[in-house]
Amino acid sequence: DSGVTQTPKHLITATGQRVTLRCSPRSGDLSVYWYQQSLDQGLQFLIHYYNGEERAKGNILERFSAQQFPDLHSELNLSSLELGDSALYFCASSVGQGSAGELFFGEGSRLTVL
Amino acid sequence: QQQVKQSPQSLIVQKGGISIINCAYENTAFDYFPWYQQFPGKGPALLIAIRPDVSEKKEGRFTISFNKSAKQFSLHIMDSQPGDSATYFCAASISGNTPLVFGKGTRLSVIA
Repeated sequence: DSGVTQTPKHLITATGQRVTLRCSPRSGDLSVYWYQQSLDQGLQFLIHYYNGEERAKGNILERFSAQQFPDLHSELNLSSLELGDSALYFCASSVGQGSAGELFFGEGSRLTVL
Repeated sequence: QQQVKQSPQSLIVQKGGISIINCAYENTAFDYFPWYQQFPGKGPALLIAIRPDVSEKKEGRFTISFNKSAKQFSLHIMDSQPGDSATYFCAASISGNTPLVFGKGTRLSVIA
């Protein structure tokens, strides 16, 4: 158990809908990263928050947004969903701002868009 | 633009054999190179990591070999076991500044 909790584990929704994925980092970790995992693209970095502030953006679509709350949990919002958004979404946390330390991944939220 | 290229995509190894997974990178500013292991239904977990000041790092049956001039690094799994069957991801970052960039993964199957 990594200590990172993601909910929901599975989500099935229709095109055009909006969903919210939630992540609770390990106790004491200030950084939260979101990654998208698909079969053909591997793990794609989406966005990084540190202590409530956005620190880096990757290949995140404009239809997607995220935030980190004062209690350090994070939410990833996906809107106007398309079939291609079906993927595993991982949250990872770490103690510091940088990525040179270990990232602890949750078990992911599997999103299926029909 | 893929910053870290990983090969092979899949690998089948006999029990007791050596598994070798290779990665190549382009950004010479990368200075942290971890390998993550992912079992089905789980998130990736750090297996072993190396920095470019050493050419090799060994932890148990797992070894990272690093070739700075060739901009390549590889994971060797000695005496591969069925329990090693998983997907392995190499990654790279500029420590303290950038998020980890992952390769596309290698699905390893160790058969008895």
